[in-house]
Amino acid sequence: KAGVTQTPRYLIKTRGQQVTLSCSPISGHRSVSWYQQTPGQGLQFLFEYFSETQRNKGNFPGRFSGRQFSNSRSEMNVSTLELGDSALYLCASRATGGLYTDTQYFGPGTRLTVL
Amino acid sequence: GENVEQHPSTLSVQEGDSAVIKCTYSDSASNYFPWYKQELGKRPQLIIDIRSNVGEKKDQRIAVTLNKTAKHFSLHITETQPEDSAVYFCAARGYSNTGNQFYFGTGTSLTVIP
Repeated sequence: KAGVTQTPRYLIKTRGQQVTLSCSPISGHRSVSWYQQTPGQGLQFLFEYFSETQRNKGNFPGRFSGRQFSNSRSEMNVSTLELGDSALYLCASRATGGLYTDTQYFGPGTRLTVL
Repeated sequence: GENVEQHPSTLSVQEGDSAVIKCTYSDSASNYFPWYKQELGKRPQLIIDIRSNVGEKKDQRIAVTLNKTAKHFSLHITETQPEDSAVYFCAARGYSNTGNQFYFGTGTSLTVIP
């Protein structure tokens, strides 16, 4: 099976702009989670989507939002970008509905730079 | 919610020596503990995981131990090789007021010196 893919891989934006990132999970995986990775902070959970519904949300401001489509692809949107939003954004997918469905598979990430 | 702490933040070992990375967690309800390896510029890859009903798990040179009473778990890499150099993250699946999610440690940068 093809792995998790993310587009674009790199983005440069300026403060105040908005950005949309995309994630395609492994075929058959219905859960997609998003993480922000910054040096020294590790991976911070943003939200998880399952069957087009947000089932979990981390401690991020409302400028961070997401959605999931019927084919399980997910998008993440950040509005009114701030310098501190510069990070690697990772998505991860996992199977659901069976035994040992805990394992998350990560995409390569989108490197967002805010100038 | 859960809080995961990871130590050390950096670790250097000679090739062939062992490396140990430790993590603690706060929520006794957490029940799944994966470890990820992230090489420079690459995605995190799962290397081993353990569930709360097991105390130890091994996979060749890698092992993970879990002490539920003390709420800590450790990654052990034996006979280290230069290709083991990477950042390692521990995680715990814990529970927040909105459901369960994964909480990650801040990572350990392991350097294996040839």
